[in-house]
Amino acid sequence: EVQLLESGGGFVQPGGSLRLSCAASGFTFSSYAMSWVRQAPGKGLEWISGITSSGGSTYYTDSVKGRFTISRDNSKNTLYLQMNSLRAEDTAVYYCAKRHSTVTTFDYWGQGTLVTVSS
Amino acid sequence: QSALTQPASVSGSPGQSITISCTGTSSDVGGYNYVSWYQQHPGKAPKLMIYEVSNRPSGVPDRFSGSKSGNTASLTISGLQAEDEADYYCSSYITSSPLYVFGTGTKVTVL
Repeated sequence: EVQLLESGGGFVQPGGSLRLSCAASGFTFSSYAMSWVRQAPGKGLEWISGITSSGGSTYYTDSVKGRFTISRDNSKNTLYLQMNSLRAEDTAVYYCAKRHSTVTTFDYWGQGTLVTVSS
Repeated sequence: QSALTQPASVSGSPGQSITISCTGTSSDVGGYNYVSWYQQHPGKAPKLMIYEVSNRPSGVPDRFSGSKSGNTASLTISGLQAEDEADYYCSSYITSSPLYVFGTGTKVTVL
């Protein structure tokens, strides 16, 4: 059974940093591209970052480029999101999502971790 | 890149059919057959319901179907059931940043 378990969320002041983790199990983690998708309270979904299966290529939406860094450790079956210079508008539930092997869609999602940025 | 446009809410009675629209542009929905639909119950993670416009993953009831015409994709739920009450989001893969764009979301209410 595919499982994705996010952790690392919490309360942080503006300008602060957090590192999110997503522990994967139930599939060959190193074979799949992964992404982070966030959802602000009461709002819709927003794709923010993706990484290829090897970690060789990374992608970001403009609003987080230069502040967030996606990475992965295939030996630990774990996806990461380092978030720096956090802003109030980064407050959201952050989901990790597994990309399907051949189809451009996300076939499994974690339960999410809440990040609150506030003074 | 703007979010895809969905109606804020759609409702129907049990057994009825409803359709949710997802309107984009030729740069996203109209340009690729990479439209997906996700179901999200309150406090839960999104669940994939439709991929590549009209394909259902295994385990998704055939009451759910997808289609596309021009820049608008649609999700139809036939034989509406109480457990279908949830938020639904469309999504399109695009080849430029931000790679994936989501719809504004539609709340489905079963009357």
